[in-house]
Amino acid sequence: DAGITQSPRHKVTETGTPVTLRCHQTENHRYMYWYRQDPGHGLRLIHYSYGVKDTDKGEVSDGYSVSRSKTEDFLLTLESATSSQTSVYFCATSFSGNTIYFGEGSWLTVV
Amino acid sequence: SQQGEEDPQALSIQEGENATMNCSYKTSINNLQWYRQNSGRGLVHLILIRSNEREKHSGRLRVTLDTSKKSSSLLITASRAADTASYFCATDANNNDMRFGAGTRLTVKP
Repeated sequence: DAGITQSPRHKVTETGTPVTLRCHQTENHRYMYWYRQDPGHGLRLIHYSYGVKDTDKGEVSDGYSVSRSKTEDFLLTLESATSSQTSVYFCATSFSGNTIYFGEGSWLTVV
Repeated sequence: SQQGEEDPQALSIQEGENATMNCSYKTSINNLQWYRQNSGRGLVHLILIRSNEREKHSGRLRVTLDTSKKSSSLLITASRAADTASYFCATDANNNDMRFGAGTRLTVKP
């Protein structure tokens, strides 16, 4: 397993508050991704990164921002959490952009 | 929108039977991958098939790819209760933007 650590693993927050999820990898993979998983939708890509300070939007990026200041860390920020952002968030990494390795997920509930 | 779509959404079989799941996608791809997810866990990579390949095997897994039909299938032979999980196909839409389908939920009854 790739060394991917997500934190926090579980969080309950109130609508309108900012939330930051952290992903840390020890594999020195170039590519990092944030996905959200919801029933009936599978996994949807939020943002991805192809290098330090190089990021791009995925298919559901509205309401989310990311930062990657170091190879090993990829942060996902919800600027003002909404109930529609209640989901399971997965961080993933890839060496070459092919095989993707996933973290164990972060369960976020916005009340 | 999702690039890949799995079919069926759910599949229930008896231990020892074969399980077949299908994936259809919309645009040209460089490769197609299958992943497995146990309940409450992250996804785990199973197998990758490149666009110039038609079939690939890995243990009890057999993957086929038909680029003319934009479809792939995953066959699990001699299924076991431990194969119970959700299975996802993933395609590289562009620029390493990997897109996943909604998955097939496989239940293998002992």
